[in-house]
Amino acid sequence: LAKTTQPISMDSYEGQEVNITCSHNNIATNDYITWYQQFPSQGPRFIIQGYKTKVTNEVASLFIPADRKSSTLSLPRVSLSDTAVYYCLVGPPPRGYQKVTFGTGTKLQVIP
Amino acid sequence: DSGVTQTPKHLITATGQRVTLRCSPRSGDLSVYWYQQSLDQGLQFLIQYYNGEERAKGNILERFSAQQFPDLHSELNLSSLELGDSALYFCASSGDYYNEQFFGPGTRLTVL
Repeated sequence: LAKTTQPISMDSYEGQEVNITCSHNNIATNDYITWYQQFPSQGPRFIIQGYKTKVTNEVASLFIPADRKSSTLSLPRVSLSDTAVYYCLVGPPPRGYQKVTFGTGTKLQVIP
Repeated sequence: DSGVTQTPKHLITATGQRVTLRCSPRSGDLSVYWYQQSLDQGLQFLIQYYNGEERAKGNILERFSAQQFPDLHSELNLSSLELGDSALYFCASSGDYYNEQFFGPGTRLTVL
C-alpha cells in the first residue's frame, strides 16, 4: 500500500475554501485515492474517491494531477461543522478485499 | 446513520478481564472490519472478515480474536485486558468496494 503524507493540522476561517493536500509519491498504477472525514468520538465517513483528474460530489472536490503523486481535497466555504480529521488513503482498485491503512490524518479546525 | 450497529456503546472493566464487542454490518454487506483508536491516535486496523472468513489481519494482538457468524454479525473478543487496551473500537462494513467502508458508532472501552 502506498505511503501517504498529510499536514498534521490546519486552521481555516468560516466561509473560506480549504485545500488539504496528500502526498503519495509511490502510488501504483492501479491505486485509487480515497478521503474520509472523522468527527470526534465518531467513526470515519467516506467523503470522496478518485483515480485521476477531478472528481466532485455534493460535499467536496478531489483534484489529482497527471503524475498522481499527490491529491488535494477541496472543501468549499467551510463551516464550524467541518471541524474534523481528514484522512487520505491510497490503495488498489475499490473492488476486492484489501487492508485499509488510515494514517494520522489532518486535523482541520474551522475558526469563527 | 451508517446502518452499522455496535454494542455496547460503553464498557468499563478491570485489568485481566475479558470482554466481547459486537457488530452488525449494513444489510447486504459481507465484509466486516475492526479498528482500534486510542486517544488522539489514528485508526489502527485490526482484522477483516468476509462472509465468515478471515481476509486480512493488521496489528492485532494475540490476546484479541474475532469471528464473523453465518448471519454476518461479528464479535471482537479482548482478553487479559491491560490499561493500554482502553480505546474506541470501531467496526465497519463494506460491500464490493473495500475502500467505501461504513463505520459504526464505536464501543468505548475503559480498562481500570
